Amino acid sequence: IAGITQAPTSQILAAGRRMTLRCTQDMRHNAMYWYRQDLGLGLRLIHYSNTAGTTGKGEVPDGYSVSRANTDDFPLTLASAVPSQTSVYFCASSDGRTTDTQYFGPGTRLTVL
Amino acid sequence: RKEVEQDPGPFNVPEGATVAFNCTYSNSASQSFFWYRQDCRKEPKLLMSVYSSGNEDGRFTAQLNRASQYISLLIRDSKLSDSATYLCVVTSPWGQGGKLIFGQGTELSVKP
Repeated sequence: IAGITQAPTSQILAAGRRMTLRCTQDMRHNAMYWYRQDLGLGLRLIHYSNTAGTTGKGEVPDGYSVSRANTDDFPLTLASAVPSQTSVYFCASSDGRTTDTQYFGPGTRLTVL
Repeated sequence: RKEVEQDPGPFNVPEGATVAFNCTYSNSASQSFFWYRQDCRKEPKLLMSVYSSGNEDGRFTAQLNRASQYISLLIRDSKLSDSATYLCVVTSPWGQGGKLIFGQGTELSVKP
């Protein structure tokens, strides 16, 4: 089934640990995005990639890194997790034009203790 | 001031009611406008794009007023299945990464 997959579905992590959230799309979309969603703050962009090989910072990039080695995959890494990174993380993709729909993955629920 | 602001909600309405959501945005250079729907603990999904001429999709009507930087969504004949959070979404120009800027969302609960 075409779409976006994310892994893991949920994770409890000790503070200070390194964690990579995985995101894969099979729609051959150029652009991919990572958001976090917190109560009262809505969805906020962490990092984005317009095409394979390029990445950019969003609204809340600190503490996160991304890579885009190919079209399909866009992993998000927390180098040293902190409790404030407890959130629901959504990956999304689109063809890259501003008029395009962004399609979201099912999300990863991350708890940092 | 938030870039995208929505009615705080929640809206609790009976089945069959008409309900309207309002949204304002601060960046006059914004190019594209959308309403997304998000069910509890699920991912956001596009409900409809919003055009200056207004657009309708069944029971849903979206309006855009660029001069007032205002977007609206009207739902007629509400169904139980319309219960969800509705997100007003605006894009920045592509040079800023084509990012979506989300409002906080307005929760709708349709009761029997």
